[in-house]
Amino acid sequence: EADIYQTPRYLVIGTGKKITLECSQTMGHDKMYWYQQDPGMELHLIHYSYGVNSTEKGDLSSESTVSRIRTEHFPLTLESARPSHTSQYLCASSERGSYGYTFGSGTRLTVV
Amino acid sequence: KNEVEQSPQNLTAQEGEFITINCSYSVGISALHWLQQHPGGGIVSLFMLSSGKKKHGRLIATINIQEKHSSLHITASHPRDSAVYICAVRPYYSGGGADGLTFGKGTHLIIQP
Repeated sequence: EADIYQTPRYLVIGTGKKITLECSQTMGHDKMYWYQQDPGMELHLIHYSYGVNSTEKGDLSSESTVSRIRTEHFPLTLESARPSHTSQYLCASSERGSYGYTFGSGTRLTVV
Repeated sequence: KNEVEQSPQNLTAQEGEFITINCSYSVGISALHWLQQHPGGGIVSLFMLSSGKKKHGRLIATINIQEKHSSLHITASHPRDSAVYICAVRPYYSGGGADGLTFGKGTHLIIQP
């Protein structure tokens, strides 16, 4: 049973549209992460947050932005979607001081 | 740069067979994770290891920190075990930077009835 929720699960959208992918967790975890996974490839970290008002870019450069106004919520925004943004986006969270991670079900984004 | 290598990349086996998936990594780590990803894309955490061996049902995970190597075993495999199995490590940093995971490319496992 997931304690981290991502919406939508699937999204097909036209080029140039602004989109926000939602991620919420109910575990009170301080740390949250966004990973991007291109088809057939490994996941790469694109954003992370260690708490409210803390956001950093990850190892893989991304045109997306994130915000962390509340502990439980870590949305990812693309201001102008492009076909190159077609990918799967996975959200995860971790408790401070713990090495364990909880993953969401992912959002599969297709930009046409 | 940390590399996480998994083998094999693809594995097809018959129901009931004993399955082994291997993972090697190149830097010091705080923990290693074995994850399962089904066709829908969602990821389930199977194990987190920092030493030794763990068992859950038909799944067994082992790690050798000195050799920087881990294995995931599935006993009495079943078609419902068909999925992508991903090894991920949490590199040990002396300070600063993200503590996100570094992932292998995954092993695509198909168990045929």
